[in-house]
Amino acid sequence: QKEVEQNSGPLSVPEGAIASLNCTYSDRGSQSFFWYRQYSGKSPELIMFIYSNGDKEDGRFTAQLNKASQYVSLLIRDSQPSDSATYLCAVRGNTDKLIFGTGTRLQVFP
Amino acid sequence: DTGVSQNPRHKITKRGQNVTFRCDPISEHNRLYWYRQTLGQGPEFLTYFQNEAQLEKSRLLSDRFSAERPKGSFSTLEIQRTEQGDSAMYLCASSPAIGGYTFGSGTRLTVV
Repeated sequence: QKEVEQNSGPLSVPEGAIASLNCTYSDRGSQSFFWYRQYSGKSPELIMFIYSNGDKEDGRFTAQLNKASQYVSLLIRDSQPSDSATYLCAVRGNTDKLIFGTGTRLQVFP
Repeated sequence: DTGVSQNPRHKITKRGQNVTFRCDPISEHNRLYWYRQTLGQGPEFLTYFQNEAQLEKSRLLSDRFSAERPKGSFSTLEIQRTEQGDSAMYLCASSPAIGGYTFGSGTRLTVV
């Protein structure tokens, strides 16, 4: 079992729709959770992070964490073609290193 | 602050040669990380530093790889006797004590 699992996609949504990206992790001791966006040929950029169970909103983005189910998700409201990218989920355990999933490719079509 | 800087942006080398990459982190960040990413995969952890101390090194990292951060500022990653399997994007990131990483633009290594 991989430490951080994501569906590779592609996830295709129409412009204006809500995109839902999901991630599961295996280490119950994981403490913090991160979502990164990566455009093709570019390096990852941090979207947001979450530490506590529940929802955290930042603009069009909402991260959701359920530690009991070892599940974290990212919702993107009013999706735009410019949101088309690979979204990486990352998890931090007891050390400082982040463990990344393989990413989900999102395609937003006009 | 100009963010995390990596040099060179691209490196093409012949198999068997040594290569060295440099990373300059965000100045107020005391943690520095090296990752490797291949096509279709997420970044894979290589090693990280807190100040000048190398605190963790991936078990996947062979003895051909070495990293330094001599004064707790910039860092170098050296790969000795490069192999074609070393071809990848090498990413450096830095972070404060709490929060996410900021990545540099990466160094793309091609071993021919």
